[in-house]
Amino acid sequence: DIVMTQTPLSSPVTLGQPASISCRSSQRLVHSDGNTYLSWLQQRPGQPPRLLIYKISNRFSGVPDRFSGSGAGTDFTLKISRVEAEDVGVYYCMQATQFPQLTFGGGTKVEIK
Amino acid sequence: EVQLVESGGGLVQPGGSLRLSCSASGFTFSSYSMHWVRQAPGKGLEYVSAISGNGGSTYYADSVKGRFTISRDNSKNTLYLQMSSLRAEDTAVYYCVKVSVAGSSVDYWGQGTLVTVSS
Repeated sequence: DIVMTQTPLSSPVTLGQPASISCRSSQRLVHSDGNTYLSWLQQRPGQPPRLLIYKISNRFSGVPDRFSGSGAGTDFTLKISRVEAEDVGVYYCMQATQFPQLTFGGGTKVEIK
Repeated sequence: EVQLVESGGGLVQPGGSLRLSCSASGFTFSSYSMHWVRQAPGKGLEYVSAISGNGGSTYYADSVKGRFTISRDNSKNTLYLQMSSLRAEDTAVYYCVKVSVAGSSVDYWGQGTLVTVSS
């Protein structure tokens, strides 16, 4: 099974400053069809998760462009260019390359300093 | 607008059974695979089970295999999770989740329903 490891566990950020979250997979996430099914989810306090980014770098509908994803192979990054108060929550990376089995990272908590 | 509404959660004793339902709207339900994902209190996300659009293929995490059964009724736009032999470690919020086009991700989540297994 693929293991997803996120760092850091917690990221205190000043409003308006950037934030970055890393995710590493135990195996390469390139599917046999050539795509890499790595997504990022956001879970605000008391809310269900919400899709932000799919296939490494594609923003889902309605997601602000301050969110961006990058990476390849086993190493991936989510960046928030300027953190806003509404960005507080826990962020998860998720692989769907082994669909239908999904695997999630342990989560990174973004909070305001 | 896609909507997923779970129901059926509650308090159950260890060894008991419960059936969760997820009512879907806003998309062609039968065209999409669906998942159940759970989240224990204060913990991360865990894949539980998945089912293909026509219900012909089902998948389970090892932690629930043999105890949980996923099914769907496409005429009612409803997804189910039958849970039996419940354990304390099954206590979690259970989310109904829609698979995105071509299975590239999961794009919509329900609000979740809480299952508490305790005596």
